[in-house]
Amino acid sequence: ELKVEQNPLFLSMQEGKNYTIYCNYSTTSDRLYWYRQDPGKSLESLFVLLSNGAVKQEGRLMASLDTKARLSTLHITAAVHDLSATYFCAVDINNDMRFGAGTRLTVKP
Amino acid sequence: SQTIHQWPATLVQPVGSPLSLECTVEGTSNPNLYWYRQAAGRGLQLLFYSVGIGQISSEVPQNLSASRPQDRQFILSSKKLLLSDSGFYLCAHVGGTVNTEAFFGQGTRLTVV
Repeated sequence: ELKVEQNPLFLSMQEGKNYTIYCNYSTTSDRLYWYRQDPGKSLESLFVLLSNGAVKQEGRLMASLDTKARLSTLHITAAVHDLSATYFCAVDINNDMRFGAGTRLTVKP
Repeated sequence: SQTIHQWPATLVQPVGSPLSLECTVEGTSNPNLYWYRQAAGRGLQLLFYSVGIGQISSEVPQNLSASRPQDRQFILSSKKLLLSDSGFYLCAHVGGTVNTEAFFGQGTRLTVV
């Protein structure tokens, strides 16, 4: 059975600091996604990673994928308050897309 | 461009009443379609996914069902709602002929009273 584990589940950061969210999955995957969700809202796509060693960056967020280790990371650089949200990773295996439990990020001044 | 429509945005239904949530996709063909449910403050639970017309895979046995009568239409239904069916329901699509990115609808917040 496919399992997707994210950690940490809760993260409180100060503005300007760096941190990494981790996403481990249990079986070989076709694709890995990162999403952002603001309270009461739907999910917004951040990144889709398709191959081993893939790295994508958008602003202060950078995502990477290591398919051999079955690990993806979402790195936050110099956090700002606007990044406060819940971040989810999701793994797609043969059209079955499963989500991690999410990381609730709070960035404090 | 691809868009995904989900309605209604908010729904309050009594226990035992039926349910029908609709999701339609524009701008792509033969997408994979998904229904998820999210309880308050929790992650996403995959309910159903479909890779084509009439093809439904169910992940959680419960009183919900799904149908895909057309290529870009996905419907979530129930004959009799339970209190435990309350939650935030999200439709998503992946793939098709355009690209591999996954997109979500705006969601339906269902409260069963």
